[in-house]
Amino acid sequence: DTGVSQNPRHKITKRGQNVTFRCDPISEHNRLYWYRQTLGQGPEFLTYFQNEAQLEKSRLLSDRFSAERPKGSFSTLEIQRTEQGDSAMYLCASSPDRARSYEQYFGPGTRLTVT
Amino acid sequence: AQRVTQPEKLLSVFKGAPVELKCNYSYSGSPELFWYVQYSRQRLQLLLRHISRESIKGFTADLNKGETSFHLKKPFAQEEDSAMYYCALKSPYSSASKIIFGSGTRLSIRP
Repeated sequence: DTGVSQNPRHKITKRGQNVTFRCDPISEHNRLYWYRQTLGQGPEFLTYFQNEAQLEKSRLLSDRFSAERPKGSFSTLEIQRTEQGDSAMYLCASSPDRARSYEQYFGPGTRLTVT
Repeated sequence: AQRVTQPEKLLSVFKGAPVELKCNYSYSGSPELFWYVQYSRQRLQLLLRHISRESIKGFTADLNKGETSFHLKKPFAQEEDSAMYYCALKSPYSSASKIIFGSGTRLSIRP
């Protein structure tokens, strides 16, 4: 296990198109997080899964965003009708049980550019 | 509202000089505070947390509740310390364990 992986690493799309990103967490981690990071800012929380259940969503996550973790393993983040403001680095992280949930292991990120 | 402020976007010091990266937080209660680090071409990773009160790679950070600060310090900077540093907090009462990050400080160590 080489840690959290994300695909694709880079995505360029035209405004109005839909995009989907994938995150594969560390296998024994049941918690999975999505963050968004724009230039000059720290990561901002988007949503969180415990196993397959999506338990919390940020108000940053508009109706155009949807995330799933169907079998409690990998997760996908879809953005519909992309806008230029969606251009950012999308980070996925996973963590073990609640006692160590502060220790989030981050993936390399998917950089989205909307033209 | 929960917020983390890192006032310096860039901090440049000479090798061997002391380092202090500033962090202030806004939270009504007792949050858990962390420092995360991202070295060039590497992933964001946890550096240290205030509860453990440990020194990692020579760095320490003390939580000052009166000043709502959690500054990161190292007495003698090394070139390998050059990286992006993020201060972060987590509510101990949040089941989600979401982490709120500051905007980061880029530490550059000059030889």
